[in-house]
Amino acid sequence: EIVLTQSPATLSLSPGERATLSCRASQSVSSYLAWYQQKPGQAPRLLIYDASNRATGIPARFSGSGSGTDFTLTISSLEPEDFAVYYCQQRSNWPRYTFGQGTKLEIK
Amino acid sequence: EVQLVESGGGLVQPGGSLRLSCAASGFTFSSYSMNWVRQAPGKGLEWVSYISSSSSTIYYADSVKGRFTISRDNAKNSLYLQMNSLRAEDTAVYYCARDWRSGEGVNYMDVWGKGTTVTVSS
Repeated sequence: EIVLTQSPATLSLSPGERATLSCRASQSVSSYLAWYQQKPGQAPRLLIYDASNRATGIPARFSGSGSGTDFTLTISSLEPEDFAVYYCQQRSNWPRYTFGQGTKLEIK
Repeated sequence: EVQLVESGGGLVQPGGSLRLSCAASGFTFSSYSMNWVRQAPGKGLEWVSYISSSSSTIYYADSVKGRFTISRDNAKNSLYLQMNSLRAEDTAVYYCARDWRSGEGVNYMDVWGKGTTVTVSS
């Protein structure tokens, strides 16, 4: 079973700053990784798929990179609405989805 | 508007049963595989079950195998999750989510409902 480990668990930043979130897989998942955003009381929202492609309607300040076992979600300049929990997800062991434990992005 | 709306959650005693429903609208439901995903209070996301568009392929997480049954009715644009022998650890918000295939041929979950809450407690 592939395990996804996200870091840090909590990231405290101010609006306008750059956020860098990490996701590491226990074995290679090629580029088959997604990122989701979840705000309190809301469902998750697909942000990035295939490691670096933005989903429909996602602002350009969100970008994804990486392949193999190391992946990064970058938010270039934080807006107030970006403070949320972010999850990475893979499906290399189809059809089972595996999620990371999440990174909480909070306002400093 | 593409939409998924879950219902059927509630309070149930350990060992009891519950049936969740997910009503789809705004897209051709019969063309998409679907999933159930759950989130325990204060915890992360856990995939629960998958069903293909024609119901020919079904998978479950080990944690629910033998207790939960996923099904769908394409004529009614609806997805279901029959949950039996419920345990306290099944307490969670249950989301239905559409399975979508990217250009790389990899599946992700691109549309989610708002969720329905299941509480297993005596």
